[in-house]
Amino acid sequence: NAGVTQTPKFQVLKTGQSMTLQCAQDMNHEYMSWYRQDPGMGLRLIHYSVGAGITDQGEVPNGYNVSRSTTEDFPLRLLSAAPSQTSVYFCASKIGSGNTIYFGEGSWLTVV
Amino acid sequence: DAKTTQPNSMESNEEEPVHLPCNHSTISGTDYIHWYRQLPSQGPEYVIHGLTSNVNNRMASLAIAEDRKSSTLILHRATLRDAAVYYCILRDRASGGSNYKLTFGKGTLLTVNP
Repeated sequence: NAGVTQTPKFQVLKTGQSMTLQCAQDMNHEYMSWYRQDPGMGLRLIHYSVGAGITDQGEVPNGYNVSRSTTEDFPLRLLSAAPSQTSVYFCASKIGSGNTIYFGEGSWLTVV
Repeated sequence: DAKTTQPNSMESNEEEPVHLPCNHSTISGTDYIHWYRQLPSQGPEYVIHGLTSNVNNRMASLAIAEDRKSSTLILHRATLRDAAVYYCILRDRASGGSNYKLTFGKGTLLTVNP
């Protein structure tokens, strides 16, 4: 099992560019989510999904879009990158009835 | 959401026990107490969780106060690989499996000295 896989691991964007952070899990988990972590801070929830075709906003959704066309994949799109979106992004997944959330290794994004 | 309070940092020596405290005075009867840790440059990983009774697993033990207003994560013999930020998080059992809204505070930075 690969678990939760995020790509790319590192990315530098120019202000105004768009990009997609990929997240895939091979555990058949219903629930997936995206968090961002700024330096010295805890994680903040951006968007989450309780199953294919269903998404919802978290604490800090502005500037990000998500979709969930399959159980395995949950991409995060930055529509027009801003320096305030410089952060580390973590994708996570969980089985429906489970208590444990599994996190990916993170994607480091810098917007200049 | 009920909040948790943790010390910003703690230090320990290798092979000694570590007790990481967490206060959650506004905890509700349906809140689970979860602990995650985040090693440098990695995503958080699950450590342990409990509701009312003390819990043990291969990684740690969780001691929950009788009134549930505080808990302590116990690492029985700290190793250098245990150096991480430890997060104490409350999750509402009543919201069911769809509750992804874990609120991560700043956690406790544990330093382990050789």
